[in-house]
Amino acid sequence: DAGVIQSPRHEVTEMGQEVTLRCKPISGHDYLFWYRQTMMRGLELLIYFNNNVPIDDSGMPEDRFSAKMPNASFSTLKIQPSEPRDSAVYFCASSFAGGRETQYFGPGTRLLVL
Amino acid sequence: AQSVTQLGSHVSVSEGALVLLRCNYSSSVPPYLFWYVQYPNQGLQLLLKYTTGATLVKGINGFEAEFKKSETSFHLTKPSAHMSDAAEYFCAVSEYGSNYKLTFGKGTLLTVNP
Repeated sequence: DAGVIQSPRHEVTEMGQEVTLRCKPISGHDYLFWYRQTMMRGLELLIYFNNNVPIDDSGMPEDRFSAKMPNASFSTLKIQPSEPRDSAVYFCASSFAGGRETQYFGPGTRLLVL
Repeated sequence: AQSVTQLGSHVSVSEGALVLLRCNYSSSVPPYLFWYVQYPNQGLQLLLKYTTGATLVKGINGFEAEFKKSETSFHLTKPSAHMSDAAEYFCAVSEYGSNYKLTFGKGTLLTVNP
């Protein structure tokens, strides 16, 4: 199994630009999670989906952040406009209903907003 | 609400010495507990988990952890440290009622000295 795939692995952009992060969950998994990791705040859950439907987006920091899951094999996290304080590592994770207590993480996208 | 406290943001041991990483949790219902490891510039990898049953849980790479309800603890141990164990370790808790949302501790950076 290929595991959770994220792209790009690294992204450098300028303040005000739109950033799109992509995630492909493990095939057969029906839960998808987006996390953000920073030195100050550690690992934070931003949003999660079940069967492509957003269930809890209470962790999304503000309206500049949006996430979609158009199908079972693809999700995006978009930041528009980006700000320097959005610089972080963004992780995607997935799990399946039968073992949904266990999440499998992707390698992350390291975002730097200048 | 669930929470996790990892005592010690940085632990340093000598190669061959005992590794002990401490984790205490707070949960209003019986928790599910996890240890994840993160190597530099990589995603999080599941080391071990406790859901139900035996309170001593064995994981990969020779690590184990014991769930102690009376102490609300889930400390991670390894009898003999190896250089390859150097990484950051995260303790996490989830609850059935929270739809298995993970709450992470701040992490403990393990350094192994030759």
